[in-house]
Amino acid sequence: NAGVMQNPRHLVRRRGQEARLRCSPVKGHSHVYWYRQLPEEGLKFMVYLQKENIIDESGMPKERFSAEFPKEGPSILRIQQVVRGDSAAYFCASSPSTGGKKETQYFGPGTRLLVL
Amino acid sequence: KQEVTQIPAALSVPEGENLVLNCSFTDSAIYNLQWFRQDPGKGLTSLLLIQSSQREQTSGRLNASLDKSSGRSTLYIAASQPGDSATYLCAISGNTGKLIFGQGTTLQVKP
Repeated sequence: NAGVMQNPRHLVRRRGQEARLRCSPVKGHSHVYWYRQLPEEGLKFMVYLQKENIIDESGMPKERFSAEFPKEGPSILRIQQVVRGDSAAYFCASSPSTGGKKETQYFGPGTRLLVL
Repeated sequence: KQEVTQIPAALSVPEGENLVLNCSFTDSAIYNLQWFRQDPGKGLTSLLLIQSSQREQTSGRLNASLDKSSGRSTLYIAASQPGDSATYLCAISGNTGKLIFGQGTTLQVKP
């Protein structure tokens, strides 16, 4: 039973480029959460998605960031026109179909984004 | 707005000691509280999850308690080992299931 998979594990981008981060949840999980860990800071919630729906995006920056979780395929976190301040570790977590309120969230290994 | 605080920020102990990590939160309306472990450069591993109706959970040498009324949780580690060295994170589950994390306690267990 494979866990949460994220790719790439490391991503280097130059300022102004696009970063695309992928997350495949645990098989059978339909709830996906994205978190960001800035250097020397704690983990911060970004967005919560179910299949084809954004449920809570209260932690997403208003510009340049978007997320999707299509019916088929992985969840994607997209960052357009990256800036140095976007350098961070981005973690994806998934939970079973009952939702994350009472269930453990299973975390992926993260994607470490470095913007030059 | 829910805020989660962990004390201490860092802790260094000799092998074999029992230790307690503290977590406090400002809003008692929680669904659950989780303790995670994070190793450098790695993801998070869930250690214990306490539902809002529970008072404690145990797994091996770990015991976590929850006191909603006072907004506190503790993680007790018995007979610490060098392999326990990591950052320990406390997280509260909010109304949509999103987790609100504390800043973590970095633990070093010296042989």
